[in-house]
Amino acid sequence: DGGITQSPKYLFRKEGQNVTLSCEQNLNHDAMYWYRQDPGQGLRLIYYSQIVNDFQKGDIAEGYSVSREKKESFPLTVTSAQKNPTAFYLCASGQIWDSNQPQHFGDGTRLSIL
Amino acid sequence: SQKIEQNSEALNIQEGKTATLTCNYTNYSPAYLQWYRQDPGRGPVFLLLIRENEKEKRKERLKVTFDTTLKQSLFHITASQPADSATYLCALDIGEDDKIIFGKGTRLHILP
Repeated sequence: DGGITQSPKYLFRKEGQNVTLSCEQNLNHDAMYWYRQDPGQGLRLIYYSQIVNDFQKGDIAEGYSVSREKKESFPLTVTSAQKNPTAFYLCASGQIWDSNQPQHFGDGTRLSIL
Repeated sequence: SQKIEQNSEALNIQEGKTATLTCNYTNYSPAYLQWYRQDPGRGPVFLLLIRENEKEKRKERLKVTFDTTLKQSLFHITASQPADSATYLCALDIGEDDKIIFGKGTRLHILP
């Protein structure tokens, strides 16, 4: 079955530590996105990528970094510079230049601070 | 800046009745609007897309309307069931790099 896989489902970060969240898709989508969801908040865009080896900052990119070395993969690193990292992180993919296509989401990674 | 609001944080509806959720937006003219369903601890799942030139879209018990004059979309679930209980998110395109922005969602509870 085609879809998006996020891992791990739960992640704990210590002070001063960088952590990396994994996102893999087998939908052959060009675009991939990272969102952050806080209680009572909508999804906020962190980073997105429309093509391999290229990515753009979203609305809340500070304290995060990404890479897009393969079409299938778009890992997100939460750096120690992100002072409030506790949230639910969602990865999505979509087909660009085709507005008929919605975004497909993974089941998220919940990050907490130890 | 673009703003998107969903009418209420939570909505309780009796089973069998029609649930109506509202999505309002300002400062933009989206080419399309989407509705997603999100269950606790899961990612959103796409339900329906409606374009600016479409007044209404249906899928089984779901109906979406889009009024570009009022800058509003209504999402209806007819003959609601307890299994319809979830958070429903609206999202609209901002015409830039295929990005969309999401509302905060409405938590719908269908009471048996």
